[in-house]
Amino acid sequence: DVKVTQSSRYLVKRTGEKVFLECVQDMDHENMFWYRQDPGLGLRLIYFSYDVKMKEKGDIPEGYSVSREKKERFSLILESASTNQTSMYLCASSQGVLAAHTDTQYFGPGTRLTVL
Amino acid sequence: GESVGLHLPTLSVQEGDNSIINCAYSNSASDYFIWYKQESGKGPQFIIDIRSNMDKRQGQRVTVLLNKTVKHLSLQIAATQPGDSAVYFCAENKRDRGSTLGRLYFGRGTQLTVWP
Repeated sequence: DVKVTQSSRYLVKRTGEKVFLECVQDMDHENMFWYRQDPGLGLRLIYFSYDVKMKEKGDIPEGYSVSREKKERFSLILESASTNQTSMYLCASSQGVLAAHTDTQYFGPGTRLTVL
Repeated sequence: GESVGLHLPTLSVQEGDNSIINCAYSNSASDYFIWYKQESGKGPQFIIDIRSNMDKRQGQRVTVLLNKTVKHLSLQIAATQPGDSAVYFCAENKRDRGSTLGRLYFGRGTQLTVWP
């Protein structure tokens, strides 16, 4: 089974702090994604990566950056946390563009981040 | 903008009844569709998928139907159980022009509640 893990289930930070959210997948997937989920807005894509050291902006990248130094790990960074970044953050991975059923994304359990 | 939507935001059924959750999409170029289930406090969990060259696909107690003529997707759950209570998302996979990576676009979800 695919396993995607996130470093924290719940996190509380203060405005202005630098925040790191870590995601690890154990299925050698090429692609990794970061979403945030808010009531009434659904899932919104922040950043994604289709290879080590590669990244692409999603729909709402402002205020975030990412790092993918190793294939299995994809980090989301909030350089200076703000209260409007309080949300559920979901990481996902998918296999790659050349394999069959390439685009199914498998999600981690989520990190509920509260910025005070 | 988001092209995937849902007909009903909530659905209540009695235990043992069949459930049908609907989803409309607007992009005829979408080639792959997925249904996810998200329980409270957890990440979305893959249920079933279907490619655009198929009309129907069955899993364990679940069936997905795809009507490309009217751009409609449905998830049928047989003999619904209390453990099926969750939010169900449909997602369509579309490869943006010039990109080799498909992106998932999510609907906002339908809350399914199963009454004993």
